[in-house]
Amino acid sequence: DTGVSQDPRHKITKRGQNVTFRCDPISEHNRLYWYRQTLGQGPEFLTYFQNEAQLEKSRLLSDRFSAERPKGSFSTLEIQRTEQGDSAMYLCASSLGPGQSSYEQYFGPGTRLTVT
Amino acid sequence: RKEVEQDPGPFNVPEGATVAFNCTYSNSASQSFFWYRQDCRKEPKLLMSVYSSGNEDGRFTAQLNRASQYISLLIRDSKLSDSATYLCVVSLTGGGNKLTFGTGTQLKVEL
Repeated sequence: DTGVSQDPRHKITKRGQNVTFRCDPISEHNRLYWYRQTLGQGPEFLTYFQNEAQLEKSRLLSDRFSAERPKGSFSTLEIQRTEQGDSAMYLCASSLGPGQSSYEQYFGPGTRLTVT
Repeated sequence: RKEVEQDPGPFNVPEGATVAFNCTYSNSASQSFFWYRQDCRKEPKLLMSVYSSGNEDGRFTAQLNRASQYISLLIRDSKLSDSATYLCVVSLTGGGNKLTFGTGTQLKVEL
């Protein structure tokens, strides 16, 4: 399977715990995006990377959230001291970058986080 | 005001019907426009890009009116398999940048 993969697919954690999610983009894609989706809403942008550089962060990304893409390949999203309001689907997407043929963003299956 | 607004539905239509979805966006600087489809508990997938000249892909037709900041999607001869949530999406740049999604419009096609 050469699509975007995410791990884990589901995570249940207790309030106050830290969680980390992983995203593996399509191999030739140099842009990687994180979105969050809650029930009944469309995905909301969190942050994105061009290779290893984090180019933009949403105001939604509080100090408890950190994302990395250390080698310009896979990315991790960590949430510290989780709160019940963090419960959502966390979606990763990847795309080619500027100057390339297509900007289509391909989404992974998501990580569903439940904070109890 | 939300950046991208859609009627959440649900739209319940019989198989074979024609259904239209509308969407408005607030930022006149938006440059790229898309419709994504999302099946229940699945990831969004690109259905089609939307151009000012309008574009068609089989039973699907998308239109963009920049002056009114309005985007539409028309589905003809709807199939049971068209049942999904349709997300209106805009981007400020020509592409390769963050996407802003509407809340989605739910479509249920019935026998």
